[in-house]
Amino acid sequence: DAGVIQSPRHEVTEMGQEVTLRCKPISGHDYLFWYRQTMMRGLELLIYFNNNVPIDDSGMPEDRFSAKMPNASFSTLKIQPSEPRDSAVYFCASTPSGSFPEQYFGPGTRLTVT
Amino acid sequence: QKEVEQNSGPLSVPEGAIASLNCTYSDRGSQSFFWYRQYSGKSPELIMSIYSNGDKEDGRFTAQLNKASQYVSLLIRDSQPSDSATYLCAVSALVFGTGTRLLVSP
Repeated sequence: DAGVIQSPRHEVTEMGQEVTLRCKPISGHDYLFWYRQTMMRGLELLIYFNNNVPIDDSGMPEDRFSAKMPNASFSTLKIQPSEPRDSAVYFCASTPSGSFPEQYFGPGTRLTVT
Repeated sequence: QKEVEQNSGPLSVPEGAIASLNCTYSDRGSQSFFWYRQYSGKSPELIMSIYSNGDKEDGRFTAQLNKASQYVSLLIRDSQPSDSATYLCAVSALVFGTGTRLLVSP
């Protein structure tokens, strides 16, 4: 299996621009998670989906952030408009079980907003 | 108060020594606990999970859980330079600490 796939791996954009991050979970995994990692705040859960349905989005920082999962093999995290404080590494992870025994993380997208 | 607390380190140990990493958590109802290892510039990978009080051993790694004290630890025996990484404690799978950086010197 190819593992969790994320694109792009690096994104540099200017403040105010729209940013879209993409994720393909491992085939057969019913749960998909989006995390943000910074030095100050560590790894923070933003939102997670079960069978393409958002279950908990309480970690989404504000209305500028939105996430979708139109099918079992694709999810997007969108930031519009982007701000310098959004600079971070964004990870997507997936797991096959509701008990979340192990999450499989993608390689991450390093976002820099100037 | 943060939900999961870890000392940021770095924790420096010589090769061959035992490294002890600690984590405290605030939610008494938590039932599952995990240790992830994250190399610089890479994504986290699971190395241990523990659900019951006591010790759980896997090779050179031992996870210890004390729910009464709301404390979970990870021991790494015979530390190797390749163990140098940041170790993340996760509670209930979704809440992560900020991690402890471990440096193992040859």
